Amino acid sequence: DAKTTQPNSMESNEEEPVHLPCNHSTISGTDYIHWYRQLPSQGPEYVIHGLTSNVNNRMASLAIAEDRKSSTLILHRATLRDAAVYYCILYYGQNFVFGPGTRLSVLP
Amino acid sequence: NAGVTQTPKFQVLKTGQSMTLQCAQDMNHEYMSWYRQDPGMGLRLIHYSVGAGITDQGEVPNGYNVSRSTTEDFPLRLLSAAPSQTSVYFCASSYVGGQTDTQYFGPGTRLTVL
Repeated sequence: DAKTTQPNSMESNEEEPVHLPCNHSTISGTDYIHWYRQLPSQGPEYVIHGLTSNVNNRMASLAIAEDRKSSTLILHRATLRDAAVYYCILYYGQNFVFGPGTRLSVLP
Repeated sequence: NAGVTQTPKFQVLKTGQSMTLQCAQDMNHEYMSWYRQDPGMGLRLIHYSVGAGITDQGEVPNGYNVSRSTTEDFPLRLLSAAPSQTSVYFCASSYVGGQTDTQYFGPGTRLTVL
């Protein structure tokens, strides 16, 4: 059972920022928040992960709420190639638990 | 590095047939896992392994067998295929399966059981 809640779908215009929200109200103090994405007909790929403070990498930024019950994945300038399903994931037992994710559409 | 490779890409089976889905990685990862993905759903864990000779069940293990005789390979066996096993299967690997390890996924095997 997924421990995260995300909107089913979101839309963005090309070259605009995208904020993908995730709620994880049952997160424990040692749980990292992970984001993966799945491009059409491919396996998931890593995007970013973090524990408490905000994180940046070449793909995206991760903003984590102070109480850690929610987080937001930020794509600074969406491109058509960013159209994918984005998964917000917590670690459970020894494994990741995937929910259905958010399907992001990017409009030209 | 080839990363995580899976064969075949596509497979059609008849009910009751058996087959093995192959997964290999060349990153010397200890942790490997199998997921299935049904339409419109996220991935569900079938089996996983934290090293050669060690396997364990995930969320949906029934109807599937695994073994891990080498670090590189983690085959998934369908013992007697059923239509409910029609799905896309993904293999993944990571360094030791720790919470901060990046998981690398293969391209998937699309299986149809008639």
